[in-house]
Amino acid sequence: EIQLQESGPGLVKPSQSLSLTCSVTGYTITSGYDWSWIRNFPGNKMEWMGYISYSGSTNYNPSLKSRISITRDTSKNQFFLHLNSVTTEDTATYYCARYDYYDGYYQDWGQGVMVTVSS
Amino acid sequence: DIQMTQSPASLSASLEELVTITCQASQDIGHWLSWYQQKPGKSPQLLIYGAPSLADGVPSRFSGSRSGTQYSLEISRLQVEDIGIYYCLQTYSAPYTFGAGTKLELK
Repeated sequence: EIQLQESGPGLVKPSQSLSLTCSVTGYTITSGYDWSWIRNFPGNKMEWMGYISYSGSTNYNPSLKSRISITRDTSKNQFFLHLNSVTTEDTATYYCARYDYYDGYYQDWGQGVMVTVSS
Repeated sequence: DIQMTQSPASLSASLEELVTITCQASQDIGHWLSWYQQKPGKSPQLLIYGAPSLADGVPSRFSGSRSGTQYSLEISRLQVEDIGIYYCLQTYSAPYTFGAGTKLELK
């Protein structure tokens, strides 16, 4: 069974950086799939942020411009979200998820971490 | 970006009622459409992928269909446990985009 778990600070100040970790168990992230970050805003809007593939390539949502970076530590089977210059509009619940590119779906999700941007 | 227009935004239905939610894609996305159910405080759960394929463990009262660029999710006989928010998601091309969600409530 593949399991994902997010961790990171629940409160970030405006203009600072947001960093979250997704720890994966039950599957090695270099073996396959795309490993994604998705966020759910208050009011229920969902936004796909980007992914890092099993090979290490990345794909980001252009709406996040140059603020986003997704990296990984293969020795720990973790991948990370870094979002710079946050504003209150980045307040959301952040999920990591596994994308099956063969059939086009997200089967496995973390439980989500709520991040509030506030001074 | 591909726009996914989901309707209705909210829906109130009775137990055992047939419920239909639709998503209209702004361009052809083929079968790269999936549906998710989200309950309060929980992560989204996959229901349907490839437009008509039912995910493992999902009750057979859920079904998906496609007509051109319009995709539909049907719940044949609404149950209490089906209450939540439903989203469609296109993964035909990045950036992947979600519908705005449908909040399903019991009448």
